[in-house]
Formats: sequence, C-alpha cells, structure tokens
Amino acid sequence: AQSVTQLGSHVSVSEGALVLLRCNYSSSVPPYLFWYVQYPNQGLQLLLKYTTGATLVKGINGFEAEFKKSETSFHLTKPSAHMSDAAEYFCAVSDQNNNDMRFGAGTRLTVKP
Amino acid sequence: EPEVTQTPSHQVTQMGQEVILRCVPISNHLYFYWYRQILGQKVEFLVSFYNNEISEKSEIFDDQFSVERPDGSNFTLKIRSTKLEDSAMYFCASRSGMNTGELFFGEGSRLTVL
Repeated sequence: AQSVTQLGSHVSVSEGALVLLRCNYSSSVPPYLFWYVQYPNQGLQLLLKYTTGATLVKGINGFEAEFKKSETSFHLTKPSAHMSDAAEYFCAVSDQNNNDMRFGAGTRLTVKP
Repeated sequence: EPEVTQTPSHQVTQMGQEVILRCVPISNHLYFYWYRQILGQKVEFLVSFYNNEISEKSEIFDDQFSVERPDGSNFTLKIRSTKLEDSAMYFCASRSGMNTGELFFGEGSRLTVL
C-alpha cells in the first residue's frame, strides 16, 4: 500500500518569497506522484505530476516539484509566492499497477502581503 | 475541455435518510472513483470502480455505501442510511485507460446530515 506524508499542515510565506511544501511518500513499487491544489469551496485541480522520465517536473502557475527517489520525496516549490497561491495543497501517490490514488493530509498555504 | 460533473452541489438531509450523489465522468474514461473530505480534513479514498465492478474500497466504504453505473454515463454513490458523520464533501473522479495515473475530479457534492 502507498501513503503520503505532508510535513506542515500550515505554511505561511510573504508575497514574493519562496514557497516550499514538503511531501514524502511510501510505496513498494515505483510511484506516480501528484500535487493537487484546492481553492476555497472548489474541487481538486492538478498542479503537476511525475510518472516517469525527468525527475524535475513543471506545472501550472509557476510551480515545480522534484522526484527524489533516494529521499522518497516530492517537494513542491515556487520561487516567488503570489497572493493568488493561497490555497490547500495536496500531495498524492498512486502505483503503476492499480493507479488508485492516496492523498496526504494537505498543507494550507497562506501568503502575506 | 471535458470535465467531470457532479450533482447536486449541496444536499441537506435528515439522519437515517438515503442519499444518492451523481457523477458524470469524462466520456471516454474507464476508471471511476469516489473520495470524501470531511470539513478541514484530508481527502480520503472511498472506492474505485472499473469494468462495472468495484476494484478497491477503503474501510470507510462499509455496507451503508454502494456505487453503481446504471446507464453507461452516470456513476452514483448511494448512502443507505445517513449518519451525522457522513457530512462531508464527496468528490467523484475518473481516469482514462491510459497509464498516466492522472485523476480528473469533479467540483464535489457537499452533503450535510442533520
């Protein structure tokens, strides 16, 4: 079974500062990894995903994440936070066999002016 | 762009009543899912469905829950006798047959049990 741990239920940054949201996964087989964003009262929107190939993946809104197998991590970063980035971010993992997805507990990102 | 649609967006029901949440997955998708999110908590997997049968379910998905794909387009989640703790946002998702792993989510149905 796969699982995801997101360190930090709440992260607060200043506008223009680096955003770093941490995600570690556990999987007995090569994982597929995802970051989803949830804005207030909305559904889940895919930010980016890693399946195979390049370990640094770029997503929408300037976000990127790097798959590090040795660290079992898939941290999400953005060089410069914008007010509109304030949302809940979920890391998720699935395996290549059944592809059922499991989510982390989520990290709420607050961006201060 | 194709999307997953869910109805109703919000349903209020009395404890003990039956509720059916409806989803229309993306038309050429083959795998279907229900997740729930209790207010302020994580997104939890309920059930996955493929080839007209449940492929996997979580411990949350007990005998009170059932899923159905009655007509080739809708994918429904039924809760037979709702409890207060069933109050949550329920998300439907679908995935194509391609091995990309990406799930496409609907906007969710908020269930409030009084």
